[in-house]
Amino acid sequence: DAGVIQSPRHEVTEMGQEVTLRCKPISGHNSLFWYRQTMMRGLELLIYFNNNVPIDDSGMPEDRFSAKMPNASFSTLKIQPSEPRDSAVYFCASSFTGTANTGELFFGEGSRLTVL
Amino acid sequence: QKEVEQNSGPLSVPEGAIASLNCTYSDRGSQSFFWYRQYSGKSPELIMSIYSNGDKEDGRFTAQLNKASQYVSLLIRDSQPSDSATYLCAVNMRNTGNQFYFGTGTSLTVIP
Repeated sequence: DAGVIQSPRHEVTEMGQEVTLRCKPISGHNSLFWYRQTMMRGLELLIYFNNNVPIDDSGMPEDRFSAKMPNASFSTLKIQPSEPRDSAVYFCASSFTGTANTGELFFGEGSRLTVL
Repeated sequence: QKEVEQNSGPLSVPEGAIASLNCTYSDRGSQSFFWYRQYSGKSPELIMSIYSNGDKEDGRFTAQLNKASQYVSLLIRDSQPSDSATYLCAVNMRNTGNQFYFGTGTSLTVIP
C-alpha cells in the first residue's frame, strides 16, 4: 500500500507569494494531521481533521494559514501571503481513530518550504 | 508547561552500550504512547508503541510506561551507530480530542 503522499517535496518562493502544500493520506485512515517542524520548535501540530472535519486548528499560527480537507483522500495547507519565518518542513500524517484510541501516525516525506 | 517533555540531549553512548531516553507528559488521561525515530532530513518513523503500564520489548528496544508518574521511556540495548538519530516521544491525548503531541526530541549519537 502507498504511504502518505505529500507534494511538493521542496518549494522555494519569495515573500508575499501564495504556497499550497498537498497531502494524500493512507486509504482507510480517518484522521489527518498537519505538522510544522523547525530546529527551534520541533514538531508543532497545526491542525487535525477527523472524518474530513477540522477538529482543532488552534495550532495554526495566524490567518495567513488555512487548511482544507474536501474529501477523505486529499488535504491542502495554504499559506498566503508567505513570510520568511514560515520556512520549515511541513509534514502531513494520517492514522485511524477508533472509539477507544487512535492508532499510530504515519508520516509523509514532508514538504521543505523556503521563503526568501 | 509543555504537553510532552523530553531531555533534548544530545546524548552520546559508545557502541554496544544501553541508551536511555525519557519522556514525561501532562495529560493523565492519555492512553497511547509512541516512540518515533527521525534520521536527519527524513520523516519520523514509528519504532515502538505502548498502551499499558509496564515494559514492552521489541528486539533491542524496550519501552517502559508508568501512567501514575506520567512517564514513558525507551531503552536501546547494544546500541549501534545506525541508531544515531533523533528520538521523538509522542502522546495521544484524549482530553484534547485525540491529537498527537510530540516532544522536541532527543538527539542520540552512538560512537563506534
